[in-house]
Amino acid sequence: DAGVIQSPRHEVTEMGQEVTLRCKPISGHDYLFWYRQTMMRGLELLIYFNNNVPIDDSGMPEDRFSAKMPNASFSTLKIQPSEPRDSAVYFCASSLGPDTQYFGPGTRLTVL
Amino acid sequence: GESVGLHLPTLSVQEGDNSIINCAYSNSASDYFIWYKQESGKGPQFIIDIRSNMDKRQGQRVTVLLNKTVKHLSLQIAATQPGDSAVYFCAEAGYSTLTFGKGTMLLVSP
Repeated sequence: DAGVIQSPRHEVTEMGQEVTLRCKPISGHDYLFWYRQTMMRGLELLIYFNNNVPIDDSGMPEDRFSAKMPNASFSTLKIQPSEPRDSAVYFCASSLGPDTQYFGPGTRLTVL
Repeated sequence: GESVGLHLPTLSVQEGDNSIINCAYSNSASDYFIWYKQESGKGPQFIIDIRSNMDKRQGQRVTVLLNKTVKHLSLQIAATQPGDSAVYFCAEAGYSTLTFGKGTMLLVSP
Protein backbone atom coordinates (compact mmCIF):
# COMPACT_ATOMS: atom_id res chain seq x y z
CA ASP A 1 0.00 0.00 0.00
CA ALA A 2 1.57 3.28 -1.13
CA GLY A 3 -0.29 5.42 1.36
CA VAL A 4 -1.47 8.93 0.59
CA ILE A 5 0.68 10.53 -2.09
CA GLN A 6 1.21 14.26 -2.34
CA SER A 7 3.08 16.35 -4.88
CA PRO A 8 5.12 18.38 -5.01
CA ARG A 9 6.89 17.83 -1.69
CA HIS A 10 8.31 21.35 -1.76
CA GLU A 11 7.12 24.40 -3.64
CA VAL A 12 8.73 27.82 -3.68
CA THR A 13 6.90 30.52 -5.58
CA GLU A 14 6.57 34.26 -5.75
CA MET A 15 3.67 36.28 -4.45
CA GLY A 16 0.88 36.50 -7.00
CA GLN A 17 1.62 33.19 -8.68
CA GLU A 18 -0.84 30.32 -8.87
CA VAL A 19 0.01 27.24 -6.84
CA THR A 20 -1.52 23.80 -7.31
CA LEU A 21 -1.05 21.03 -4.78
CA ARG A 22 -1.96 17.46 -5.64
CA CYS A 23 -3.11 14.46 -3.67
CA LYS A 24 -3.79 10.82 -4.40
CA PRO A 25 -5.71 9.18 -1.53
CA ILE A 26 -5.42 5.57 -0.44
CA SER A 27 -7.34 3.37 -2.86
CA GLY A 28 -10.82 2.60 -1.60
CA HIS A 29 -10.98 5.47 0.87
CA ASP A 30 -14.12 7.56 0.50
CA TYR A 31 -13.11 10.60 2.55
CA LEU A 32 -10.41 13.09 1.63
CA PHE A 33 -9.24 15.98 3.79
CA TRP A 34 -6.97 18.97 3.18
CA TYR A 35 -5.17 20.50 6.17
CA ARG A 36 -2.75 23.36 6.67
CA GLN A 37 -0.13 23.36 9.42
CA THR A 38 1.74 26.41 10.68
CA MET A 39 3.63 27.21 13.85
CA MET A 40 1.14 29.97 14.59
CA ARG A 41 -2.10 28.04 14.18
CA GLY A 42 -1.21 24.37 14.36
CA LEU A 43 -3.14 21.89 12.20
CA GLU A 44 -6.23 23.38 10.54
CA LEU A 45 -8.84 21.56 8.46
CA LEU A 46 -9.46 23.44 5.23
CA ILE A 47 -11.97 21.27 3.38
CA TYR A 48 -13.09 17.67 3.12
CA PHE A 49 -14.78 15.52 0.51
CA ASN A 50 -16.95 12.43 0.76
CA ASN A 51 -17.29 10.35 -2.40
CA ASN A 52 -15.69 13.20 -4.38
CA VAL A 53 -18.26 15.74 -3.17
CA PRO A 54 -17.12 18.71 -1.06
CA ILE A 55 -18.91 18.48 2.27
CA ASP A 56 -17.47 21.29 4.37
CA ASP A 57 -15.23 24.07 3.09
CA SER A 58 -15.70 26.40 6.05
CA GLY A 59 -12.01 26.15 6.84
CA MET A 60 -10.90 27.56 3.50
CA PRO A 61 -9.40 30.92 4.44
CA GLU A 62 -10.63 32.96 1.49
CA ASP A 63 -11.70 32.89 -2.12
CA ARG A 64 -8.11 32.59 -3.26
CA PHE A 65 -8.27 28.96 -2.14
CA SER A 66 -10.17 26.32 -4.08
CA ALA A 67 -10.20 22.53 -4.05
CA LYS A 68 -11.49 19.92 -6.44
CA MET A 69 -11.85 16.18 -6.52
CA PRO A 70 -12.64 15.15 -10.08
CA ASN A 71 -12.45 11.44 -9.28
CA ALA A 72 -11.89 9.06 -6.39
CA SER A 73 -8.14 8.94 -6.87
CA PHE A 74 -7.18 12.58 -7.28
CA SER A 75 -7.67 15.94 -5.61
CA THR A 76 -6.14 19.38 -6.02
CA LEU A 77 -5.84 22.40 -3.77
CA LYS A 78 -5.24 25.62 -5.66
CA ILE A 79 -4.18 29.02 -4.37
CA GLN A 80 -4.55 31.92 -6.78
CA PRO A 81 -3.02 34.41 -6.27
CA SER A 82 -0.63 33.20 -3.59
CA GLU A 83 0.54 35.43 -0.74
CA PRO A 84 3.45 35.13 1.72
CA ARG A 85 1.01 34.35 4.56
CA ASP A 86 0.00 31.18 2.69
CA SER A 87 3.42 29.71 3.47
CA ALA A 88 2.78 26.52 5.42
CA VAL A 89 2.83 22.75 5.17
CA TYR A 90 -0.28 21.43 3.46
CA PHE A 91 -1.39 17.90 4.24
CA CYS A 92 -3.84 15.65 2.50
CA ALA A 93 -5.43 12.80 4.44
CA SER A 94 -7.88 10.07 3.52
CA SER A 95 -10.08 7.66 5.45
CA LEU A 96 -12.44 4.78 4.95
CA GLY A 97 -15.55 6.12 6.57
CA PRO A 98 -15.40 9.02 8.99
CA ASP A 99 -12.81 7.49 11.32
CA THR A 100 -9.08 7.14 11.32
CA GLN A 101 -7.42 9.46 8.84
CA TYR A 102 -4.15 8.59 7.15
CA PHE A 103 -1.94 11.50 6.23
CA GLY A 104 0.35 12.11 3.31
CA PRO A 105 3.89 13.45 3.70
CA GLY A 106 2.79 17.04 3.07
CA THR A 107 3.76 19.81 0.70
CA ARG A 108 5.92 22.57 2.14
CA LEU A 109 4.88 25.80 0.44
CA THR A 110 6.99 28.93 0.59
CA VAL A 111 5.62 32.09 -0.98
CA LEU A 112 8.23 34.82 -1.34
CA GLY B 1 9.25 42.15 15.13
CA GLU B 2 8.66 39.43 17.62
CA SER B 3 6.80 36.40 16.32
CA VAL B 4 4.33 34.54 18.46
CA GLY B 5 4.20 30.88 17.70
CA LEU B 6 2.41 27.86 18.99
CA HIS B 7 4.29 27.01 22.16
CA LEU B 8 4.06 23.26 22.47
CA PRO B 9 4.33 21.68 25.87
CA THR B 10 7.47 19.58 25.95
CA LEU B 11 8.19 16.36 27.77
CA SER B 12 11.85 15.42 28.12
CA VAL B 13 12.71 11.87 29.17
CA GLN B 14 15.68 9.55 29.27
CA GLU B 15 15.87 6.54 26.99
CA GLY B 16 14.29 3.57 28.70
CA ASP B 17 11.94 5.63 30.86
CA ASN B 18 8.18 5.42 30.52
CA SER B 19 6.49 8.50 29.04
CA ILE B 20 3.01 9.80 29.70
CA ILE B 21 1.47 12.39 27.40
CA ASN B 22 -1.81 13.97 28.41
CA CYS B 23 -4.64 15.52 26.47
CA ALA B 24 -7.90 17.20 27.46
CA TYR B 25 -10.75 17.02 24.96
CA SER B 26 -13.70 19.33 24.67
CA ASN B 27 -16.78 17.45 23.52
CA SER B 28 -18.34 15.06 26.02
CA ALA B 29 -20.32 13.50 23.16
CA SER B 30 -17.18 12.42 21.28
CA ASP B 31 -17.06 8.65 21.03
CA TYR B 32 -13.80 8.01 19.23
CA PHE B 33 -10.28 9.22 19.92
CA ILE B 34 -6.97 8.82 18.14
CA TRP B 35 -3.34 9.48 18.96
CA TYR B 36 -1.01 10.59 16.18
CA LYS B 37 2.77 10.91 16.08
CA GLN B 38 4.40 13.51 13.87
CA GLU B 39 8.12 13.33 13.26
CA SER B 40 9.99 16.30 11.89
CA GLY B 41 9.29 16.78 8.18
CA LYS B 42 6.60 14.11 8.04
CA GLY B 43 2.84 13.89 8.21
CA PRO B 44 0.98 12.77 11.33
CA GLN B 45 1.08 9.00 11.70
CA PHE B 46 -1.67 6.93 13.37
CA ILE B 47 -0.52 5.28 16.60
CA ILE B 48 -3.55 3.98 18.45
CA ASP B 49 -7.25 4.68 18.86
CA ILE B 50 -9.93 4.09 21.47
CA ARG B 51 -13.70 4.20 21.52
CA SER B 52 -15.67 5.74 24.34
CA ASN B 53 -17.00 2.36 25.53
CA MET B 54 -13.46 1.49 26.63
CA ASP B 55 -11.23 2.90 29.37
CA LYS B 56 -7.97 1.43 28.20
CA ARG B 57 -6.43 0.01 25.06
CA GLN B 58 -2.97 -1.41 24.59
CA GLY B 59 -0.77 -1.61 21.56
CA GLN B 60 2.88 -2.40 21.10
CA ARG B 61 4.67 -0.38 23.82
CA VAL B 62 1.78 2.11 23.88
CA THR B 63 -1.32 2.31 26.02
CA VAL B 64 -4.14 4.82 25.77
CA LEU B 65 -6.29 5.62 28.78
CA LEU B 66 -9.62 7.39 28.54
CA ASN B 67 -11.31 9.12 31.47
CA LYS B 68 -14.68 10.32 30.25
CA THR B 69 -15.60 11.84 33.60
CA VAL B 70 -12.97 14.54 33.29
CA LYS B 71 -12.65 14.39 29.49
CA HIS B 72 -9.04 13.33 29.61
CA LEU B 73 -6.89 11.10 27.44
CA SER B 74 -3.39 9.90 28.03
CA LEU B 75 -0.82 8.08 25.95
CA GLN B 76 1.71 5.95 27.77
CA ILE B 77 4.87 4.86 25.98
CA ALA B 78 6.85 2.11 27.66
CA ALA B 79 10.65 1.97 27.47
CA THR B 80 10.87 5.17 25.46
CA GLN B 81 13.42 5.14 22.65
CA PRO B 82 15.15 7.99 20.78
CA GLY B 83 12.97 7.12 17.77
CA ASP B 84 9.93 8.09 19.80
CA SER B 85 11.02 11.73 19.72
CA ALA B 86 8.23 13.57 17.92
CA VAL B 87 5.15 15.72 18.42
CA TYR B 88 2.15 13.75 19.64
CA PHE B 89 -1.41 14.86 18.92
CA CYS B 90 -4.65 13.61 20.33
CA ALA B 91 -7.73 13.92 18.12
CA GLU B 92 -11.41 13.52 18.89
CA ALA B 93 -13.81 12.44 16.20
CA GLY B 94 -16.85 14.51 15.33
CA TYR B 95 -19.47 13.51 12.78
CA SER B 96 -17.03 13.24 9.91
CA THR B 97 -13.98 15.17 11.01
CA LEU B 98 -11.28 15.13 13.64
CA THR B 99 -10.49 17.93 16.06
CA PHE B 100 -6.79 17.94 16.87
CA GLY B 101 -5.20 19.08 20.09
CA LYS B 102 -2.24 21.45 20.07
CA GLY B 103 0.29 18.66 20.46
CA THR B 104 3.05 17.73 22.90
CA MET B 105 6.67 17.47 21.93
CA LEU B 106 8.46 14.42 23.31
CA LEU B 107 12.25 14.64 23.51
CA VAL B 108 14.13 11.44 24.32
CA SER B 109 17.73 11.66 25.42
CA PRO B 110 20.06 8.68 24.96
